[in-house]
Amino acid sequence: GAGVSQTPSNKVTEKGKYVELRCDPISGHTALYWYRQSLGQGPEFLIYFQGTGAADDSGLPNDRFFAVRPEGSVSTLKIQRTERGDSAVYLCASSLGGRWDTQYFGPGTRLTVL
Amino acid sequence: GENVEQHPSTLSVQEGDSAVIKCTYSDSASNYFPWYKQELGKGPQLIIDIRSNVGEKKDQRIAVTLNKTAKHFSLHITETQPEDSAVYFCAVQGGATNKLIFGSGTLLAVQP
Repeated sequence: GAGVSQTPSNKVTEKGKYVELRCDPISGHTALYWYRQSLGQGPEFLIYFQGTGAADDSGLPNDRFFAVRPEGSVSTLKIQRTERGDSAVYLCASSLGGRWDTQYFGPGTRLTVL
Repeated sequence: GENVEQHPSTLSVQEGDSAVIKCTYSDSASNYFPWYKQELGKGPQLIIDIRSNVGEKKDQRIAVTLNKTAKHFSLHITETQPEDSAVYFCAVQGGATNKLIFGSGTLLAVQP
């Protein structure tokens, strides 16, 4: 079946602009996760959803970052007033939602802030 | 919070040799330990995982061992092949949340 998909694959924006990154999870997966990966580093947790609600948003770095999942499927990560330090690959993952269920990752969106 | 350290950062082996990557963690409540392989331009892909009630798990050429007392776990790849070349990440899931804390990665190069 189809895996996790993310759009766009690449996004270039200017400092101060607003961006939205989209994630389509695997069908039937109730949990959805956002991670951020800087060059040469491991993924860093941002937020995860169980259904429509954010179960843990402890990784969001500041209030410029916000994520939604209004219908419990597709999720959008929103970044306001982008800064050059926001440049990274943003990864989305989904799982069945249980404690030890495998998290399946998408290919990521590479965000570049000029 | 949880801290995960991964060693080595780079590893070069000859085809057919074994490769071992080690990770340590700090939170004794952690109970799930997956390993991911990431190829250039792709998302991480799970290759093997282990839960805290098991000390060792094997899947063909790949094995993982867990020492909960010492708070470390290791990935073992035997009979390495050029297609094993990639970045490998260990990760840890804690007791209260599904989030994964990742190590910094190991770049494995298998020389033909």
